[in-house]
Amino acid sequence: DGGITQSPKYLFRKEGQNVTLSCEQNLNHDAMYWYRQDPGQGLRLIYYSQIVNDFQKGDIAEGYSVSREKKESFPLTVTSAQKNPTAFYLCASREQGALETQYFGPGTRLLVL
Amino acid sequence: SQQGEEDPQALSIQEGENATMNCSYKTSINNLQWYRQNSGRGLVHLILIRSNEREKHSGRLRVTLDTSKKSSSLLITASRAADTASYFCATDPLTSGSRLTFGEGTQLTVNP
Repeated sequence: DGGITQSPKYLFRKEGQNVTLSCEQNLNHDAMYWYRQDPGQGLRLIYYSQIVNDFQKGDIAEGYSVSREKKESFPLTVTSAQKNPTAFYLCASREQGALETQYFGPGTRLLVL
Repeated sequence: SQQGEEDPQALSIQEGENATMNCSYKTSINNLQWYRQNSGRGLVHLILIRSNEREKHSGRLRVTLDTSKKSSSLLITASRAADTASYFCATDPLTSGSRLTFGEGTQLTVNP
């Protein structure tokens, strides 16, 4: 079964804690993306990576960090510097090319205790 | 800032009716894509239209693109209750590299 998996489905963060959201794909896609979605809103780009060991900031990177050590994995860490982390986080991947669509994982909902 | 803006924000129709959603954007694009999101789930790609295309069909979906007006529309014909979802347009700007920019979405409710 090809696709993108995200875990966990729900994640609870305590004050001052860093948490890491997992994103794995077996589609052999080069590019991967992290988005944040707030209730009733569209998607905002946090970070993206077009190739292993390289990534770029999106529109709302502050308070987040990523790594891309393997082609299939693109974990997102929500740091304590992110003061309003409660949101739905979506990971996506895409083959390189201007006409390629993005494939999305099922999302992780992050809540603050 | 969001490149795409959908209109209307919410749309409620009866089964069997057609649903039309509009998207406007600001900069030149490679292509424009429409995605669907069921509540609490990931997005699913519906259709892509290239900047040199004016209309495209896929099943009950019809997408138009007017690059002179920087706008697109998504028409869903003969809607079903299962079409209830949020619909997003996403633009692939010429200067963005491999990024897509998503609009705020239209929440479609199809009443049985």
